[in-house]
Amino acid sequence: QVTLRESGPALVKPRETLRLTCTFSGFSLNTTGMSVSWIRQPPGKALEWLARIDWDDDKYFSKSLKTRLTISKDTSKNQVVLTMTYMDPEDTATYFCARVHSSSAPYFDYWGQGALVTVSS
Amino acid sequence: SFELTQPPSVSVSSGQTASITCSGDKLGDKYVHWYQQKSGQSPLLLIYQDSKRPSGIPERFSGSNSGNTATLTISGTQALDEADYYCQAWDISTEVVFGGGTKVTVL
Repeated sequence: QVTLRESGPALVKPRETLRLTCTFSGFSLNTTGMSVSWIRQPPGKALEWLARIDWDDDKYFSKSLKTRLTISKDTSKNQVVLTMTYMDPEDTATYFCARVHSSSAPYFDYWGQGALVTVSS
Repeated sequence: SFELTQPPSVSVSSGQTASITCSGDKLGDKYVHWYQQKSGQSPLLLIYQDSKRPSGIPERFSGSNSGNTATLTISGTQALDEADYYCQAWDISTEVVFGGGTKVTVL
């Protein structure tokens, strides 16, 4: 059974750095072809893809946010960590992690429940 | 940059067929995936690679993709199908891209 769960602060101040952790089970990022992505959704708005990390530690980022994002994995803990610098109120959103299927034409077959992050002073 | 365009809303009478479109340049040359998101929930994979249904997804959900438009069809729409629906594709210029979402209302 595949599960993912996001964790991190619910509230961050403007200009601070956000650190979110995705803890997953039911698969391993040591397995060839496996990947995990982060996706966010501002309240009442559409989904926005942020980043992806592959089993071989390849990393991919949204072009519009690339300079602010880092992604890393700890395969021993089954965790993926996303950091986003210089948080702004417009970054207020629910942040999801999701397992990626098929790296050549990727889609997301399992999602976490999401973590709402509010950016406010 | 590559973009996907969806109608903001679609209304359908209970038991009828709903069609949700997703348009993008030469979209038929790419794989399109669809997600259903009910209020307060995480997205659920509904259709992958244009027309394939994951295990557990009812047969009333189907997908197609040709030219510049992909379509999600819900046959015999039920009240429980009220949700937001998102299309998604991958493009070399933008990596993963989602459509703006379509809110389906069942009358």
